Amino acid sequence: GAGVSQSPSNKVTEKGKDVELRCDPISGHTALYWYRQSLGQGLEFLIYFQGNSAPDKSGLPSDRFSAERTGGSVSTLTIQRTQQEDSAVYLCASSFSGGGTNYNEQFFGPGTRLTVL
Amino acid sequence: DQQVKQNSPSLSVQEGRISILNCDYTNSMFDYFLWYKKYPAEGPTFLISISSIKDKNEDGRFTVFLNKSAKHLSLHIVPSQPGDSAVYFCAARADYKLSFGAGTTVTVRA
Repeated sequence: GAGVSQSPSNKVTEKGKDVELRCDPISGHTALYWYRQSLGQGLEFLIYFQGNSAPDKSGLPSDRFSAERTGGSVSTLTIQRTQQEDSAVYLCASSFSGGGTNYNEQFFGPGTRLTVL
Repeated sequence: DQQVKQNSPSLSVQEGRISILNCDYTNSMFDYFLWYKKYPAEGPTFLISISSIKDKNEDGRFTVFLNKSAKHLSLHIVPSQPGDSAVYFCAARADYKLSFGAGTTVTVRA
């Protein structure tokens, strides 16, 4: 079946512009995550959606970042007034659920490489 | 505040030999530990996990060892194959959040 897809695969933008990154999770997965990987760093948690619950936005680095998940499926990560330090690979992942006694594998998309000039 | 650390950014190993990747963590609340593998231009893919109540989990050529007292885990790959050349991320779960290390790039030499 189809995996997690993300678009665009690459985005180059000018400082100060807004960008939208899209994630299509695996059908049936209730949990959706956004991560960011800056050069030479590990994946940094940004935001978590689980079903209809309020999202955990604790990883968003500033109020310029926001995300929504419509209809429990597709998610959009929006970065307003982009800065050069926002340049990174943004990865989306989905799973059957987040916590619990077992580990539900997070399936990752290929990422969107964002470059802010 | 990096809760998961991979102190070796790279590892080179000869085909057929063992690869040992190491990872240290600080948060005693982590309940699962994972290894993910990543090829260029692709997202990470899950490799193997271990519950905090276990000390070893084996899956084919891959074995993960957990030493809770030392807050240390390792991944053993034996025998190493050319297709194993990739970046390996150690990760740990607290509730639903994963914390990742910076990754170790493994190169398997023919």
